[in-house]
Amino acid sequence: EILLTQSPGTLSLSPGERGTVSCRASDELGPTFIAWYQQKAGQAPRLLIYGASSRAAGIPDRFSGSGSGTDFTLTIDRLEPEDSAMYYCQQYGRAPLTFGGGTKVEI
Amino acid sequence: QEQLVDSGGSVVQPGRSLRLSCVASGFTFSRFPMYWVRQAPGKRLEYVAIISHDGATKYYPDSVKGRFTISRDDSRNTLSLQMDSLRSEDTGVYYCARDAVPYGGNWYFDLWGRGTVVTVSS
Repeated sequence: EILLTQSPGTLSLSPGERGTVSCRASDELGPTFIAWYQQKAGQAPRLLIYGASSRAAGIPDRFSGSGSGTDFTLTIDRLEPEDSAMYYCQQYGRAPLTFGGGTKVEI
Repeated sequence: QEQLVDSGGSVVQPGRSLRLSCVASGFTFSRFPMYWVRQAPGKRLEYVAIISHDGATKYYPDSVKGRFTISRDDSRNTLSLQMDSLRSEDTGVYYCARDAVPYGGNWYFDLWGRGTVVTVSS
């Protein structure tokens, strides 16, 4: 089973700054089998990024993903207060699919 | 508007059974593989069941294999999860989720329900 380790656990930033969330896989995944989700309190998760770097429909271009192999990154530019949420990575390159432990972003 | 509404969560004693449901609307349900994903308190998200768009293929992780059964009724746009022999470690929020690509088993999700809470406790 692929273990995904996210860092940091909590990210506290000010509006307008850039936030970076890391997701490290315990084994090689290839270039594209990572998705990122945003989850606000009491809400369903929302798909942000798939294929490591492709934005899902309706996601602002402030959100971007990068990486390959074992190291992946979610970057949020020009942070806004509504970006406060939990962020999770998920790998789907190897069964069973697994999720990271989450990063709390506080604005 | 595309939507998944999950329900059926409850407080249940260990060893008992529970059935969760998820009603889809706003899209052609029969085209999509569907999933159940759960989150135990303080733990990461974990998939618990997958069903192909035609219902022919199902997968479960070892933690629930033999106890949970996923099914779908395309005539009612409904996904179900039958949970038997429940354990305390099955406690958590259960979400239904849709595969992002019709017919494909891409294993990432572009639509989620809001979750239903299952508590297994005596």
